[in-house]
Amino acid sequence: EVQLLESGGGLVQPGGSLRLSCAASGFTFNNYAMSWVRQAPGKGLEWVSTITGSGGGTFYADSVRGRFTISRDNSKNTLYLQMNSLRAEDTAVHYCVRLRGTPNSAFDIWGQGTLVTVSS
Amino acid sequence: DIQMTQSPSTLSASVGDRVTITCRASQSISAWLAWYQQRPGKAPDLLIYKASTLKSGVPSRFSGSGSGTEFTLTISSLQPDDFATYYCLQYNTYPNTFGQGTKLEIK
Repeated sequence: EVQLLESGGGLVQPGGSLRLSCAASGFTFNNYAMSWVRQAPGKGLEWVSTITGSGGGTFYADSVRGRFTISRDNSKNTLYLQMNSLRAEDTAVHYCVRLRGTPNSAFDIWGQGTLVTVSS
Repeated sequence: DIQMTQSPSTLSASVGDRVTITCRASQSISAWLAWYQQRPGKAPDLLIYKASTLKSGVPSRFSGSGSGTEFTLTISSLQPDDFATYYCLQYNTYPNTFGQGTKLEIK
């Protein structure tokens, strides 16, 4: 069974940092591009970042570029999102998502999400 | 960035009804469009990709159509489980962008 399990969310002060992790299982991890998608409380979905299967290519939303870094460790079947200089508007459930294949494909499998709250 | 405009924002319907949700792109995205269903407190589920391809395991009452800038999601006969929020997503170009969502409510 394909599974994505996020961890690392929590409460952080504005300007602080947090690293999210996503443990993948049930598929050949390095064959798939992966993404992070977030959803602020009561709001819609927002794409955050995507990384290619090899990790050699990355894409970011303008709202996080320069503050967030997506990465992966294919030997550990794990996706990461390093979040720095956090702002109140980053408060959201952050979902780890597997794409159907390449970076130019639909978001296929979603984790259960991890909540990041930025507040003093 | 490509803007995705969904309509309506809210839709009230009854079990057994046929409903249609529309998504318009601000520029052509060919057929690179997906539809998602999200129930309260849950992660979204992929229903349709490449505008009209039903994901394996999704009931056949769901269908998608369109290309270019105009797309539709149709549910042919609403079931109680279908009352949820639906989102479209364009993945033709980065940044990938979602529609604002359509909440399907029980009339």
